[in-house]
Amino acid sequence: GQQLNQSPQSMFIQEGEDVSMNCTSSSIFNTWLWYKQDPGEGPVLLIALYKAGELTSNGRLTAQFGITRKDSFLNISASIPSDVGIYFCAGQLFQGGSEKLVFGKGTKLTVNP
Amino acid sequence: DTGVSQDPRHKITKRGQNVTFRCDPISEHNRLYWYRQTLGQGPEFLTYFQNEAQLEKSRLLSDRFSAERPKGSFSTLEIQRTEQGDSAMYLCASSRRKNTEAFFGQGTRLTVV
Repeated sequence: GQQLNQSPQSMFIQEGEDVSMNCTSSSIFNTWLWYKQDPGEGPVLLIALYKAGELTSNGRLTAQFGITRKDSFLNISASIPSDVGIYFCAGQLFQGGSEKLVFGKGTKLTVNP
Repeated sequence: DTGVSQDPRHKITKRGQNVTFRCDPISEHNRLYWYRQTLGQGPEFLTYFQNEAQLEKSRLLSDRFSAERPKGSFSTLEIQRTEQGDSAMYLCASSRRKNTEAFFGQGTRLTVV
C-alpha cells in the first residue's frame, strides 16, 4: 500500500529552537495535512495544503506542499514546551478516487525548557 | 460546532466479546471516516461514508468488523468476537467534502484481555 516516509522519527530540542520535519512519498498527493497528537487524544489538525508549491502559516507553524506533489515539510519556529507531542503528516492520493488519508509514522517532539 | 464526538473513550473487553463504538461527526459534514491506530504508528484507514453510503473499505476491515451510518449522521463501528490484536485506538473523523480538512474525535481506546 501507499506509504509516507516521515522524518525524523524523534527530535529533542531546547525551548526557543526552530524545528523542521518532512514527509516524502513515491505517490502523488492532492492534499497534505499536518496533525499534532497528544497521548491518549485524537490528532488535531494544524495546517492543510491543497496546491503544489503552496506555503501556509498558522502562527509559529509553516508548512509547504512540494512542487512534485510527493513531499511536504512542517517548520515550527521558536518552540515552546507545549509543542511537545507527535506530529503526523497525512496525504490524500491524487488518483483512484480514494478519499482515505495515508499517514506517516509520526515525529515525536520533545522540548526541554 | 462541538467537534467530532466519540463514545466511549475507553473500553476493556474480554476476548470473544462484541463491542460497539459510536461517532457523532461535525453536524454539517457529510463524510465520516474510521481509522485504527496502534502504538507507535500513524492512523490506518478502515472505512468511510458519504452520507449513509459506505463507499470504501480497507482490507484491514475483516469480516468481524462492521460499520453503519444509517441516517447519514452518527456512525457505529462494531467488532464481533474480539481478539487481542484488535486492541488499539479507534478514531473517527469527518469532513465537509472531498479534499478538505478532516477533523478527528478523541478516539476510543479498546483493550482486549
